[in-house]
Amino acid sequence: SQQGEEDPQALSIQEGENATMNCSYKTSINNLQWYRQNSGRGLVHLILIRSNEREKHSGRLRVTLDTSKKSSSLLITASRAADTASYFCATDNPPGNTPLVFGKGTRLSVIA
Amino acid sequence: DTAVSQTPKYLVTQMGNDKSIKCEQNLGHDTMYWYKQDSKKFLKIMFSYNNKELIINETVPNRFSPKSPDKAHLNLHINSLELGDSAVYFCASSSLETQYFGPGTRLLVL
Repeated sequence: SQQGEEDPQALSIQEGENATMNCSYKTSINNLQWYRQNSGRGLVHLILIRSNEREKHSGRLRVTLDTSKKSSSLLITASRAADTASYFCATDNPPGNTPLVFGKGTRLSVIA
Repeated sequence: DTAVSQTPKYLVTQMGNDKSIKCEQNLGHDTMYWYKQDSKKFLKIMFSYNNKELIINETVPNRFSPKSPDKAHLNLHINSLELGDSAVYFCASSSLETQYFGPGTRLLVL
């Protein structure tokens, strides 16, 4: 069953702006991951945040996790045209289960 | 030096045919997966294999049969293809939580 729900479904911004995508999930998790999918390609892992973490950074990416609200956000700062892709959150459901449960993704378009 | 590879990249076939998709990973991972991504980009797990043992078989039709000849390979065989099988099929592998995806096989059933 679907676990994650990304919001918004689509986002269009200018190069240099920040992009924020949100993800909500339904059940308990051990960790939450964000993946990127370029058009016509497979998914690429971006970042993993564990249930006991609240915030994590990786380069221009910042991920937050609020387990009380069962939500996460992905912030991409100073966006570039190359960031244009679909972004998916994924959770282990049930906790510790290795196959991931993905949301439907946010389609990000960065306009140069 | 591709980590997870799939063949073919594109597959166009008629309804009722039988086809196979191959997947290989050179990462030394113990666990491999097949996911299906539909036209709305919804990605759903189909099968999971750990050390050649099927550990999860989601509710997919038994026309789909995974086969793992060794730890590095997980192939997907589909019998009696139907129009609704048209989708992109992704193979993935993992050692811990992070999964590494292949480029996908775009299947179109006519």
